[in-house]
This record gives sequence, C-alpha cells and structure tokens, in this order.
Amino acid sequence: GAGVSQSPSNKVTEKGKDVELRCDPISGHTALYWYRQSLGQGLEFLIYFQGNSAPDKSGLPSDRFSAERTGGSVSTLTIQRTQQEDSAVYLCASSWIVGTGKNTNYGYTFGSGTRLTVV
Amino acid sequence: ILNVEQSPQSLHVQEGDSTNFTCSFPSSNFYALHWYRWETAKSPEALFVMTLNGDEKKKGRISATLNTKEGYSYLYIKGSQPEDSATYLCAFRRGTSYGKLTFGQGTILTVHP
Repeated sequence: GAGVSQSPSNKVTEKGKDVELRCDPISGHTALYWYRQSLGQGLEFLIYFQGNSAPDKSGLPSDRFSAERTGGSVSTLTIQRTQQEDSAVYLCASSWIVGTGKNTNYGYTFGSGTRLTVV
Repeated sequence: ILNVEQSPQSLHVQEGDSTNFTCSFPSSNFYALHWYRWETAKSPEALFVMTLNGDEKKKGRISATLNTKEGYSYLYIKGSQPEDSATYLCAFRRGTSYGKLTFGQGTILTVHP
C-alpha cells in the first residue's frame, strides 16, 4: 500500500482481556518496528523485525507482550491479560534498508497508531 | 541507557512568533538525528534526518541545526502559524547495525491565532 496501515485505530478493552494490534507495512520494507507512547512519556521502543525474525525484542515490557511477523509483511502485536498501564498509543514503522554496517541508510514510515485504552 | 532529552516540554506562542526547541543526545557513537512532527491521530511526519556535525537543514519556515560534538540539535520555526501546532519529536540513532531510534519525550507546540 501507499503507507503503513495499523488497525484498529482505537481499541477499548477490559482489564484482563487479550488484544491484538495489526500493522501492514509498506510493501518491500524489510525492517519493521513497534513503539508505544504512554501518557506523558516519549515514544518507547518495543521490538524490531528484520524479515520475519526479531533480533531485538528488548523493549517488550513483560512476557504478556509478544509479536510476530509473517511473510516478511504483516505484523501482529499481542498483549495478553491487559493491564491499565498498557494504555498507550502503539505505533508501527517500517523502513527500507540500503547498504550495510555503518553505511546503512534507513527510510522510515510510521503508521497512524492504535490508541489502546484498558478500563 | 540512552538519554534523549527535549526542552521545553510544552510551548505556547502567538501566531507570527518565531520559536525554537532543543534536543540533547549522547555525543558518542552518533549516527543520525531525526526530527518528526506528530499531530494527534496522524502518523509522525519526518522533517529532517541529520548526520553530519554542523548540518543545517531547512524546510519552508522550519530549520534545524546539529552539533554532534556537544550532543544537541535545535529546531527553529519562523513566523509560527496555528497549523504548526503539533508535538515535535527528536530521535537519536546510534551507529549500530540497524535503525532503532531512541526518542525524546517531545515538545508540544501550541500556536494561538
């Protein structure tokens, strides 16, 4: 598609329920990132995908969070047993990659996010 | 832990005022500094990607400078308009093998007519 698409755009869920957030990156973008912004905080890195593998998942806040990417394309972020502190805007970004090592350049495109509210 | 700090946290200006914000970042292992403009319910919009010490970039009424030796970047808006109201984010990229960005908390700009 023309841009990065995220769904749903808004999600209200009850505490304890599981939620799935979806990201459709730009076709051909090999790298995909999830970030989130909680109230009053900056954008916080969650996980990075290169193709279907996740070499850096260091930002996932707990084992209730997981993510997968299939076919080098769509990614799903799953939050199990949601808690109120999970309320945030979850942003996905994809990027093309050119070059290697220190000469690598990236072009990022962000989606418009999913606003998750846990009540 | 990488610290990327932005100041001020929020700013209210009158239409026509010029303004600027600061982003400070680690001066070691620098690769790039990104500026984004983010309006509510929209995608963050890339403004600038800055890689060289002394870089100055301009896009319309918005410009940015970069000092990698001391670890700061300034974003300037000349003649602010109400449509400039948004959150301005800076993001630091280390010289690692992939493009993970570390963001500051953002500066919320409100331009009053």
